[in-house]
Amino acid sequence: EPEVTQTPSHQVTQMGQEVILRCVPISNHLYFYWYRQILGQKVEFLVSFYNNEISEKSEIFDDQFSVERPDGSNFTLKIRSTKLEDSAMYFCASSISEKNIQYFGAGTRLSVL
Amino acid sequence: DAKTTQPTSMDCAEGRAANLPCNHSTISGNEYVYWYRQIHSQGPQYIIHGLKNNETNEMASLIITEDRKSSTLILPHATLRDTAVYYCIVRVGNTDKLIFGTGTRLQVFP
Repeated sequence: EPEVTQTPSHQVTQMGQEVILRCVPISNHLYFYWYRQILGQKVEFLVSFYNNEISEKSEIFDDQFSVERPDGSNFTLKIRSTKLEDSAMYFCASSISEKNIQYFGAGTRLSVL
Repeated sequence: DAKTTQPTSMDCAEGRAANLPCNHSTISGNEYVYWYRQIHSQGPQYIIHGLKNNETNEMASLIITEDRKSSTLILPHATLRDTAVYYCIVRVGNTDKLIFGTGTRLQVFP
């Protein structure tokens, strides 16, 4: 069964460093998403992406964040200068079409020290 | 904010049916109800969705009331592996994002 793959499973970084979280969406999907979940809190939407453009973003997704689809298979989330409060699980999701079922990856745990 | 209200937690005996309620009294006519679950800190897993008819798949059944103001997710024969947080989500019409609430923590016990 096709699945969304995220790497790494755990990323440890120092405050102020740049991190890139990687995702391989399901192959025929065209819509891509990032969500995050701070420990003990709700899953929060960050950004949606279609046709090489951001479709929608939340207030959390400020200038420190960016997304990119560098090739035909990867979808990345970059945080330019990490802060302690960026520590969270980051989930990538993909969907075959807009407002269709979103399938989530297992997540990347980001720990900012 | 989420448009749904769910109980904080529920228990269910293994092998019995788990019935998870959800209230969505402000749902609009074209808004779907989705159910996801999250086991430990894994990624949310899609379970089922519906608009106004009852739905069934290999994982669960979804019963939506005629006025669409509430729904129930039914796991017909709960197993220990069904222990998870279950999220009822109303897919708001003008956005593609999923808005997660706090969900129901289902504990299946032997």
